[in-house]
Amino acid sequence: DIQMTQSPSSLSASVGDRVTITCRASQRMDSFLNWYQQKPGKAPKVLIYAASTLQSGVPSRFSGSGSGTDFTLTISSLQPEDFATYYCQQSYSTSWTFGQGTKVEI
Amino acid sequence: QVQLVQSGSELKKPGASVKVSCKASGYSFSNYGMIWVRQAPGQGLEWMGRINTNTGNPTYAQGFTGRFVFSLDTSVSTAFLQITSLKAEDTGVYYCARGNQERGGGNVWYLDNWGQGSLVTVSS
Repeated sequence: DIQMTQSPSSLSASVGDRVTITCRASQRMDSFLNWYQQKPGKAPKVLIYAASTLQSGVPSRFSGSGSGTDFTLTISSLQPEDFATYYCQQSYSTSWTFGQGTKVEI
Repeated sequence: QVQLVQSGSELKKPGASVKVSCKASGYSFSNYGMIWVRQAPGQGLEWMGRINTNTGNPTYAQGFTGRFVFSLDTSVSTAFLQITSLKAEDTGVYYCARGNQERGGGNVWYLDNWGQGSLVTVSS
């Protein structure tokens, strides 16, 4: 299975900050990488798919980049509603996997 | 609009079985995949596997073989997850999610709609 490692596991930030979360894959996987946001008690929601495509309805302050093994999710100006846990997920191999999550706290 | 509505919470004893349902509406059921994801209490997301809604062919992740079974009833656009011989470590929230495939690019699969989750608690 492809292992996905996110960093950091958690971070503290303020409203208006630029936030960057990275995801590293244990093998090359082109752009088969998606990002999700999960708030407590809620189902996850897709933000970015295929590494850099913004899902319809997601604010443009979210962006994704990367290819191969290294990927990044960036929030350009953190808003109060962005405090949540973020997960990367690969769909390159037969068995898909999630990263362990990054909790963004105030 | 696309909706995935899951069955309610379950409290089961070790050794029992449980069947979680996921009813889809607002789209053509057999045109998209169905994926199952587990989230243990306070933990991250675990991909359990997927089922091809055209063929009914399931794919299971390591760690979810043997006691876990995915099935479909396409006549009512519903997917099912059955877990047998329940253990305490099966406790968690189980999500179904629709698998969509990017068109015109690399055909990347992603999960674009999720059920609300079904809490399964295994305790004596």
